[in-house]
Amino acid sequence: SQKIEQNSEALNIQEGKTATLTCNYTNYSPAYLQWYRQDPGRGPVFLLLIRENEKEKRKERLKVTFDTTLKQSLFHITASQPADSATYLCALDRENRDDKIIFGKGTRLHILP
Amino acid sequence: KAGVTQTPRYLIKTRGQQVTLSCSPISGHRSVSWYQQTPGQGLQFLFEYFSETQRNKGNFPGRFSGRQFSNSRSEMNVSTLELGDSALYLCASSLERNTDTQYFGPGTRLTVL
Repeated sequence: SQKIEQNSEALNIQEGKTATLTCNYTNYSPAYLQWYRQDPGRGPVFLLLIRENEKEKRKERLKVTFDTTLKQSLFHITASQPADSATYLCALDRENRDDKIIFGKGTRLHILP
Repeated sequence: KAGVTQTPRYLIKTRGQQVTLSCSPISGHRSVSWYQQTPGQGLQFLFEYFSETQRNKGNFPGRFSGRQFSNSRSEMNVSTLELGDSALYLCASSLERNTDTQYFGPGTRLTVL
């Protein structure tokens, strides 16, 4: 069955360092992958989308990579700040591309001042 | 442009009751998707509506249903509530398909006693 795993439930990073979050998937080949940020008590907010034919995408301090051979996406936040503390979710379309999106369970990122 | 709104924000019900949740998408968005979020299962896709028709459905029992009106507003209904239905229910709107960027509402926190 199709499976998405995000590297850890929680990650503590010192302010100013680069935070790297991992999203691994098995048993299928998504056409694209999205990253969302979710703060407590709020709905997820879209951050970045990367397609299967793209290796890397950047937006300000954010960078996403997509390795379809390793079946893995890495999400980087450079020069991290306490305000970056949140839960980050990855999401992929399903194998038969039937418009059903599946989400990982998320990684809670804590940026320590 | 106003964001996605959901009502009510909080709801407490008892087992066996039914509940109706409402979602107003961003103006111009025609696709509305519903998700259930729990700590154990993460964010799970319930269904997607487009032009008043259910376009996709996740793996939830028939107690979960929804509809979409001509103005794209959507409602979801859960009948015969069970304790396990306690969750954050999120609505997301997108322009045409839920594989486009989705904009999430703040969610409705449902507690079943």
